[in-house]
Amino acid sequence: KAGVTQTPRYLIKTRGQQVTLSCSPISGHRSVSWYQQTPGQGLQFLFEYFSETQRNKGNFPGRFSGRQFSNSRSEMNVSTLELGDSALYLCASSLILAGGPKETQYFGPGTRLLVL
Amino acid sequence: AQKVTQAQTEISVVEKEDVTLDCVYETRDTTYYLFWYKQPPSGELVFLIRRNSFDEQNEISGRYSWNFQKSTSSFNFTITASQVVDSAVYFCALSEAGIQGAQKLVFGQGTRLTINP
Repeated sequence: KAGVTQTPRYLIKTRGQQVTLSCSPISGHRSVSWYQQTPGQGLQFLFEYFSETQRNKGNFPGRFSGRQFSNSRSEMNVSTLELGDSALYLCASSLILAGGPKETQYFGPGTRLLVL
Repeated sequence: AQKVTQAQTEISVVEKEDVTLDCVYETRDTTYYLFWYKQPPSGELVFLIRRNSFDEQNEISGRYSWNFQKSTSSFNFTITASQVVDSAVYFCALSEAGIQGAQKLVFGQGTRLTINP
């Protein structure tokens, strides 16, 4: 099975612009989560989507948003970019069974965003 | 609030030495899951192990072993006979019980492990 894929792998943007990152989960996985990794704050949870619905959200401003499509692919969007948004953005997918226990999250290679 | 602490920021050892990475967690949930991930320089987080709170059996996988102790809220990771390829940043993580099965991982700050030849 192919792993989690993320596009693009690298991005350079300037302050004030917006950016959209894409994530394709492992085939059959219906939950997609996003994380931001920075040297200062470490790995922080952004949000999680399941069946096109956001189920959980981290402590990030409204400039960070996401969505999930019917094929489980997900996008996250950051509007009005700030220098502090420079980070590695990681997407993870997991197989969710109704009423089942927590499942392992498998991560993609990440998108490295640099805001100038 | 849930919290994961990896007190060792960096560890450097010589190849073939054994090394233990510490992880201490805090949670009010009675059901929770603990994970270890490896992050090589390429950036991708590689899943190593998952443990639920009801299974305190230690686990061994090749040169890797994990010691889960609920009494001390610790989930430590040992690499035996370390190799240069083990060099990476290692993260311990805790999964909340959450509402309706919602997924969220709380990560420790990571331990950068360097194995010198």
